[in-house]
Amino acid sequence: QKEVEQDPGPLSVPEGAIVSLNCTYSNSAFQYFMWYRQYSRKGPELLMYTYSSGNKEDGRFTAQVDKSSKYISLFIRDSQPSDSATYLCAMSSGGSYIPTFGRGTSLIVHP
Amino acid sequence: DTGVSQDPRHKITKRGQNVTFRCDPISEHNRLYWYRQTLGQGPEFLTYFQNEAQLEKSRLLSDRFSAERPKGSFSTLEIQRTEQGDSAMYLCASSHESGLATSTDTQYFGPGTRLTVL
Repeated sequence: QKEVEQDPGPLSVPEGAIVSLNCTYSNSAFQYFMWYRQYSRKGPELLMYTYSSGNKEDGRFTAQVDKSSKYISLFIRDSQPSDSATYLCAMSSGGSYIPTFGRGTSLIVHP
Repeated sequence: DTGVSQDPRHKITKRGQNVTFRCDPISEHNRLYWYRQTLGQGPEFLTYFQNEAQLEKSRLLSDRFSAERPKGSFSTLEIQRTEQGDSAMYLCASSHESGLATSTDTQYFGPGTRLTVL
């Protein structure tokens, strides 16, 4: 079992839908949780950064962390075709600067 | 300086050849990371530098791989005697570690170098 599990998709939704992307993890030492967006043949771009449990909102994006369930989510409201990309979750422990990435979920938002 | 840059963006080589990639981090960033990403997978950590010191290496970094960061600025990643299994996207990221307890070490990625070994 990998430390970080993420469904690769693809997830296909109509424009305007609310998108829910999720990751589960097994390492209880993880404290820092990140979501990256990666367009085809580009490097990952940091979207959200959360420390410990709770919610964080930034525009159309909301990140949730539930450490008791070892489960993190990224919600995208009013999804747009430009949101079509691969979304990678990543997480690290307090003693390490090296994040462990999920394999990414491919999202397709169709007009 | 608008971000992390990598050169070349694409490299095609024959098995057994040596290749070298360059990464220029964001200028004030003291940390530099190398990752490898294969199709359908997330980035896998290879190594990282704090200034010019190479502080950690993954077991993925075989003895055919070497990385340097002279003077704590740009970095190079060299792969000797390339194998077909080395075909991947090689990503560089940089961050600023302030030494404060609130430091988040947010990593910013470059566009990557796509290596194809024939």
